[in-house]
Amino acid sequence: EPEVTQTPSHQVTQMGQEVILRCVPISNHLYFYWYRQILGQKVEFLVSFYNNEISEKSEIFDDQFSVERPDGSNFTLKIRSTKLEDSAMYFCASGSGRVSEQFFGPGTRLTVL
Amino acid sequence: QQQVKQSPQSLIVQKGGISIINCAYENTAFDYFPWYQQFPGKGPALLIAIRPDVSEKKEGRFTISFNKSAKQFSLHIMDSQPGDSATYFCAATYSGNTPLVFGKGTRLSVIA
Repeated sequence: EPEVTQTPSHQVTQMGQEVILRCVPISNHLYFYWYRQILGQKVEFLVSFYNNEISEKSEIFDDQFSVERPDGSNFTLKIRSTKLEDSAMYFCASGSGRVSEQFFGPGTRLTVL
Repeated sequence: QQQVKQSPQSLIVQKGGISIINCAYENTAFDYFPWYQQFPGKGPALLIAIRPDVSEKKEGRFTISFNKSAKQFSLHIMDSQPGDSATYFCAATYSGNTPLVFGKGTRLSVIA
């Protein structure tokens, strides 16, 4: 069964460093999302991406964040200068556009020291 | 108005019992209500979803009940098993592949 994959599974970085989180969505999906989950809290939306551009973003997704689909398969989230409060699980999700279903990857645990 | 309120925060159920988790929403424009199951260290997995044109949807041991007038929906897990022990999130969104708004989650423990 097709699934969303994410790399790395765990990323440790120093405050102020740039990180890139990578996702490979399900191959025939057209809609891509990043969400994050701070430990013990609910899943929060960051950004959605369709037709090679951002379709919606939340207040969390400030100028330090960017997304890119550099080729036909990868979808990346870049945090330019990480802060301690960026420590969280970051989930990529994708959807085919059919009935609003979104399928999540296993997540990348980002730890900012 | 974008919130989805979920209760209880945690739930302990005996094996074979019924687990019930409730969610309430405010935005009447929401028209897609999925439930996700999350095991520790894993991503949320889509479990079952409903649209407001039906009042109930059943898939195996999992049932969503939907009350449009009360703006509430609930997940029922029949014959709960220890393998069902996980965190369950309700969510809501509009048509058009818009972002999901999640509840805060319910940690379910099914004990033998």
